[in-house]
Amino acid sequence: DADVTQTPRNRITKTGKRIMLECSQTKGHDRMYWYRQDPGLGLRLIYYSFDVKDINKGEISDGYSVSRQAQAKFSLSLESAIPNQTALYFCATSDGDGSSYEQYFGPGTRLTVT
Amino acid sequence: KNQVEQSPQSLIILEGKNCTLQCNYTVSPFSNLRWYKQDTGRGPVSLTIMTFSENTKSNGRYTATLDADTKQSSLHITASQLSDSASYICVVSLWGGSYIPTFGRGTSLIVHP
Repeated sequence: DADVTQTPRNRITKTGKRIMLECSQTKGHDRMYWYRQDPGLGLRLIYYSFDVKDINKGEISDGYSVSRQAQAKFSLSLESAIPNQTALYFCATSDGDGSSYEQYFGPGTRLTVT
Repeated sequence: KNQVEQSPQSLIILEGKNCTLQCNYTVSPFSNLRWYKQDTGRGPVSLTIMTFSENTKSNGRYTATLDADTKQSSLHITASQLSDSASYICVVSLWGGSYIPTFGRGTSLIVHP
């Protein structure tokens, strides 16, 4: 089984709908991250969490919220989806402070907002 | 502002040929630099990591170099294979603090038979 899983893998939703993307990991890492990837723009950080009680905004957090339900689970919510949130979303985990430890990425969720 | 610039944006080569991808960064103070490989539709996977004291690191047919003085890195792929077709992402990390890595936009490599 994969170490970092994301559900759903693909989702099409309408403007204004609330949607939640889920991430689970079995690596036992404390640190979890949500990124979005757009063609030509690379990966951009939305939110990150260093432990269950710690949540931090990333570079592009507007329009998103997160919940760290447990060490192994980190969810990303779009409260009212808009078309420019159409993108590929990745969850990642890392051990320690991440400066030397590798980030492990999930398979991604392709989200389309119509 | 900390930045990571990669070139070329895209590259097409024939199977069996070598190629070199470039990464320039302005991240300071520098901790380490990673190269990731991202296959289409999948999450990135780490290929190599180098700290400021290392100037070369190999992983099979992949060899990364680092010049911390000029803030440049390269990823050399030897004897390319069709499976090397992917996006290659350079990621640079700051030293200390609440670390968040800075990602380059990636180089898209296509290997033709």
